[in-house]
Amino acid sequence: SQQGEEDPQALSIQEGENATMNCSYKTSINNLQWYRQNSGRGLVHLILIRSNEREKHSGRLRVTLDTSKKSSSLLITASRAADTASYFCALLPAGAGSYQLTFGKGTKLSVIP
Amino acid sequence: EAEVAQSPRYKITEKSQAVAFWCDPISGHATLYWYRQILGQGPELLVQFQDESVVDDSQLPKDRFSAERLKGVDSTLKIQPAELGDSAMYLCASSLNSGGKETQYFGPGTRLLVL
Repeated sequence: SQQGEEDPQALSIQEGENATMNCSYKTSINNLQWYRQNSGRGLVHLILIRSNEREKHSGRLRVTLDTSKKSSSLLITASRAADTASYFCALLPAGAGSYQLTFGKGTKLSVIP
Repeated sequence: EAEVAQSPRYKITEKSQAVAFWCDPISGHATLYWYRQILGQGPELLVQFQDESVVDDSQLPKDRFSAERLKGVDSTLKIQPAELGDSAMYLCASSLNSGGKETQYFGPGTRLLVL
């Protein structure tokens, strides 16, 4: 399967704590992207990390990529109630002509005020 | 900030009826995507357009689904006849160019309920 698999499926934390969610995959990738989806809404792009990159930051978000273990993690520091959402990893497989992103099933994050 | 527009936001229909969804991508975006998202799952690509041409529709159930982007701008996704299993969120996205190397911008989605 070219789909990423997020872990855990659900996560509940207190406001101010850090949240870590993981994505594992089986195929070689060109890049891996993380998206957020608030309940009943469209997806919002968070970060894109390429296969030759190991870490990227954006505000309170930190994404790491370990291609040898075929896994990525998304860390949200100092979480806020507004971070409550589902988080999806999406993979672009490696290879010429590869253009289709495949999404995992997501991690549902609940941040309790 | 430019956004992807979709309408309607919600649609309730009876099985065997026809439904249509509309999407207006961000101006200048050549690539348009239609995804279907079943509750509790991630989005699955149905069809991808580059300008007015279909790049990939391998996951589109062509016996009942059709999609068009006649002038390479806005797009319509149609289901005829709708079945109970079509109940889902239908998401439209656009990107500047094709290939997953670029950010996809998603619309708010159309939630379809088939009774």
